[in-house]
Amino acid sequence: NAGVTQTPKFQVLKTGQSMTLQCAQDMNHNSMYWYRQDPGMGLRLIYYSASEGTTDKGEVPNGYNVSRLNKREFSLRLESAAPSQTSVYFCASSVNRGMNTEAFFGQGTRLTVV
Amino acid sequence: QKEVEQNSGPLSVPEGAIASLNCTYSDRGSQSFFWYRQYSGKSPELIMFIYSNGDKEDGRFTAQLNKASQYVSLLIRDSQPSDSATYLCAVTPLYNQGGKLIFGQGTELSVKP
Repeated sequence: NAGVTQTPKFQVLKTGQSMTLQCAQDMNHNSMYWYRQDPGMGLRLIYYSASEGTTDKGEVPNGYNVSRLNKREFSLRLESAAPSQTSVYFCASSVNRGMNTEAFFGQGTRLTVV
Repeated sequence: QKEVEQNSGPLSVPEGAIASLNCTYSDRGSQSFFWYRQYSGKSPELIMFIYSNGDKEDGRFTAQLNKASQYVSLLIRDSQPSDSATYLCAVTPLYNQGGKLIFGQGTELSVKP
């Protein structure tokens, strides 16, 4: 089972460049998430999507946009990358049924903005 | 104030001891509580979840929830060097809000042989 697949795994951008991080899940999950992880900061929620066609801001949405293309795919776009966006990005999905929001994570994207 | 708070550690325990990891949360209406383990350079993986007051046991792991004190903990009995990792507490808010899942900053655990 593929689970949650993120691309790319590594990326170096110059300040001001744009890029899109791709995420796809094959578990028929309703909810999908984008997090960033910085040293000592845990996982901070950027955006999440409760279902196809809906997206909501998380804790740190500034500088990012998202698209829930269909039930499987949830992309994260950086329109004008800044060094402060250097981080490890994780996509996750969950079935979100009742009390159970167990999230499954992709392998992460290590992004460096120079 | 961050919604979910953990001591960042590192927490160091000898092999065979009990490791106690703590987490507090600010939203009194929070519904479900999760503990994830993350090895260095890897993705988080779920260890346990709990949503009722009291204890929940799974093998060497026990999750404890006290909603009145807004406190959730994870006990690891008979700690092994392979338990050395960062442990992340996560919470879903009141009314679930579409599965919104908020994490703490994580506690780094080191189990010494």
